[in-house]
Amino acid sequence: KAGVTQTPRYLIKTRGQQVTLSCSPISGHRSVSWYQQTPGQGLQFLFEYFSETQRNKGNFPGRFSGRQFSNSRSEMNVSTLELGDSALYLCASTRDPQIYNEQFFGPGTRLTVL
Amino acid sequence: EDKVVQSPLSLVVHEGDTVTLNCSYEVTNFRSLLWYKQEKKAPTFLFMLTSSGIEKKSGRLSSILDKKELFSILNITATQTGDSAIYLCAVEPKNAGGTSYGKLTFGQGTILTVHP
Repeated sequence: KAGVTQTPRYLIKTRGQQVTLSCSPISGHRSVSWYQQTPGQGLQFLFEYFSETQRNKGNFPGRFSGRQFSNSRSEMNVSTLELGDSALYLCASTRDPQIYNEQFFGPGTRLTVL
Repeated sequence: EDKVVQSPLSLVVHEGDTVTLNCSYEVTNFRSLLWYKQEKKAPTFLFMLTSSGIEKKSGRLSSILDKKELFSILNITATQTGDSAIYLCAVEPKNAGGTSYGKLTFGQGTILTVHP
């Protein structure tokens, strides 16, 4: 069974630009969560999508947004990039959070903002 | 706000040693605690501990959960160089509906280095 895939793997942008990251969950997994990982803050929850609906959101500014498609694939968008947005962005999928299910992580997208 | 504190932050051992990694947590409504191993890529799942499953073992790795004292430990016996990684502990809260809606709160991680 294929794991969680994320594209692109690496991205370099300049301040003020916007970026879209993509995540394809494991087949059959309906929940997708996004995290930001930095050396100073560790892994921080961004948001979660289930059946195309955002059900939970972390403490990030509105510049961070996302969506989920009917095939459970998810995208996250960051507008007006800032230097502090440089991080590893990880997505994780879960079959159904109603039951106890661990989250399986993708390889991440390394975003560098210059 | 949910909080996870791991200790030690880093640990250097030699092959064959046994290590114990600690994770203490504060969470409003506990649902589960998870351990992950992260090398230079995505965190990979190790264990999930819940109220109904407070002890897990897989090969040289084992973990226990103390819900009363709000901590968990991850033990690795007979360490190997391939165990070198960051070990992450995370807690999953539950809301009124009984689920967490995807949110895991992670600790800072323990960097384990195993020398040959």
